[in-house]
Amino acid sequence: ELKVEQNPLFLSMQEGKNYTIYCNYSTTSDRLYWYRQDPGKSLESLFVLLSNGAVKQEGRLMASLDTKARLSTLHITAAVHDLSATYFCAVGRGLGGSQGNLIFGKGTKLSVKP
Amino acid sequence: ETGVTQTPRHLVMGMTNKKSLKCEQHLGHNAMYWYKQSAKKPLELMFVYSLEERVENNSVPSRFSPECPNSSHLFLHLHTLQPEDSALYLCASSQDTGGSLEKLFFGSGTQLSVL
Repeated sequence: ELKVEQNPLFLSMQEGKNYTIYCNYSTTSDRLYWYRQDPGKSLESLFVLLSNGAVKQEGRLMASLDTKARLSTLHITAAVHDLSATYFCAVGRGLGGSQGNLIFGKGTKLSVKP
Repeated sequence: ETGVTQTPRHLVMGMTNKKSLKCEQHLGHNAMYWYKQSAKKPLELMFVYSLEERVENNSVPSRFSPECPNSSHLFLHLHTLQPEDSALYLCASSQDTGGSLEKLFFGSGTQLSVL
């Protein structure tokens, strides 16, 4: 059974600092997604990672995937308040299956303080 | 705005009531989904529809009944719910099922409280 674990679940950081959120999963998969959710709003897709060693960057966020270690990281560089949100990783169940078989982590609630 | 609209945004119902949640997508997608988001629990997939046919039902209790009359609309009919069913119900769509390149587009959700 695929299990997805994120840590930390809560993260309070100061503006300008760097930090990393980790996503571990328990069985083989060929796709991993990162989503962002602001309070009271939809989940928004951030990154899709499909291969070992994949790295995607947008603004102050960079995501990477190590399929051998079954680990993805979401690195935050020089955090700003606008990044405050809950970040979810989601892993595809099985290989080549439908995206509807995503298993989500519990989410990391990030709070960036001045 | 993601192109996926859910109504109502908030719903309070008693355990003997019958209500329906509605989802509409304006993206021309072929697949639609219902997810449940509870406090302190990961998002749980409830139902998947592809081209109006149900392709997955993740052992959801029968008090939840989905309906997909066409590829743009998805309903979740609720009856005799329990207080533990209180949660945020999220609708999502994707271009299709299958394949790794499809992104899920989520609606804003319906916050359901069962008294």
